Amino acid sequence: SQQGEEDPQALSIQEGENATMNCSYKTSINNLQWYRQNSGRGLVHLILIRSNEREKHSGRLRVTLDTSKKSSSLLITASRAADTASYFCATARGETSGSRLTFGEGTQLTVNP
Amino acid sequence: NAGVMQNPRHLVRRRGQEARLRCSPMKGHSHVYWYRQLPEEGLKFMVYLQKENIIDESGMPKERFSAEFPKEGPSILRIQQVVRGDSAAYFCASSPLQGTQYFGPGTRLTVL
Repeated sequence: SQQGEEDPQALSIQEGENATMNCSYKTSINNLQWYRQNSGRGLVHLILIRSNEREKHSGRLRVTLDTSKKSSSLLITASRAADTASYFCATARGETSGSRLTFGEGTQLTVNP
Repeated sequence: NAGVMQNPRHLVRRRGQEARLRCSPMKGHSHVYWYRQLPEEGLKFMVYLQKENIIDESGMPKERFSAEFPKEGPSILRIQQVVRGDSAAYFCASSPLQGTQYFGPGTRLTVL
């Protein structure tokens, strides 16, 4: 299996509920990033967490990183219908921008109004 | 500050034709990455370039695919003699010396 695997593959919730998505990876990393992709569109960068960080917040987003378990989670609180999208985690092994991103297969989130 | 621009957004080619995909990085960004996304899958790294240099092409097929990032102008991903399996969304990302990669809207290639 490949670096950066998300679970669940698909998640359907009601508006107002929280959504939690998980990501596991296999190799050592410098940072882990989460991206959102609306159907048929490009990727939007959400948040970056470095390997020496354990938790990070940005608005309604909360990301955790457990390097001992090689896993990360993305929590979206008080979800909205507009949050419906695919969410991908991506790992980077180097600090500089010369570091390819390795993406997981994504979690398809559907938020029902 | 315009984001990463890619064109065309949609490209249809017949088997055996050539496909040229263009990417203009964000202003001030000198690093460009190309990724490919097959339907219902995540993005897969293809190639990383700096101006006039290919830094890492380990994710790019050895045959039919090539990439360049000239001193002037956009980065080009070129696919010769396209086959149906090349049908995918191709995304370009750019970044400054250090930092987050910003993605373009992608080019959706369909090979008939």
